Amino acid sequence: EEQLVESGGGLVKPGGSLRLSCEASGFRFIMFSMNWIRQAPGKGLEWVSSITSTSTYIHYADSVKGRFTISRDNAKNTVYLQMNSLRVEDTGVYYCVRDAVGIPPPLWFGPWGQGTPVTVSS
Amino acid sequence: EIVMTQSPALLSVSPGERATLSCRASQSVGSNLAWYQQKPGQAPRLLIYGASTRATGIPVRFSGSGSDTEFTLTISSLQSEDFAIYYCQQYIIWPPYTFGQGTKLEIK
Repeated sequence: EEQLVESGGGLVKPGGSLRLSCEASGFRFIMFSMNWIRQAPGKGLEWVSSITSTSTYIHYADSVKGRFTISRDNAKNTVYLQMNSLRVEDTGVYYCVRDAVGIPPPLWFGPWGQGTPVTVSS
Repeated sequence: EIVMTQSPALLSVSPGERATLSCRASQSVGSNLAWYQQKPGQAPRLLIYGASTRATGIPVRFSGSGSDTEFTLTISSLQSEDFAIYYCQQYIIWPPYTFGQGTKLEIK
């Protein structure tokens, strides 16, 4: 069964940092681009960042560029999101999402992890 | 950035009836459109890609149509488990990948 399990979320003060992790299983991790998509409380979906299978291409939403860094360790089947200079508006559930197809670039998304909550508050 | 607009924001339909959800793009996306379903407390799941192709395991009562700027998700006979929030997403011009704001489908 294809599975994505996020961890690392929590409560942090504005200006602080968090590192999210997402461990994948049930598929050949190295074959797929990976993504982070977030959802603010009661709001819709916002794509945050993507990384291709060998980390050749990395993209960020303008709202997080310069503050967040996506990376992956194919030996550990894990993708990371390092979040620095966090703002109140970064609060939400962060989903780790696999590219659906496995041929870069990522286009549509699936499967999704269960999400990890991030709260930025003083 | 392509802006995706969904309508209506809230749709009330009785079980067994048909539901029609709309998604409009601010510029042509061809057929590069996906639909997702999100139930309360759960992650979204992929329903449709390529505007009209059902993802693996998605029941045939779900169908997608449209191209360029106007798209429709139709659920032919609503089951209790279909009441959820539905999002469309374009993937022709990125970054960023953009989603609509969602349509909440509730029981009438």
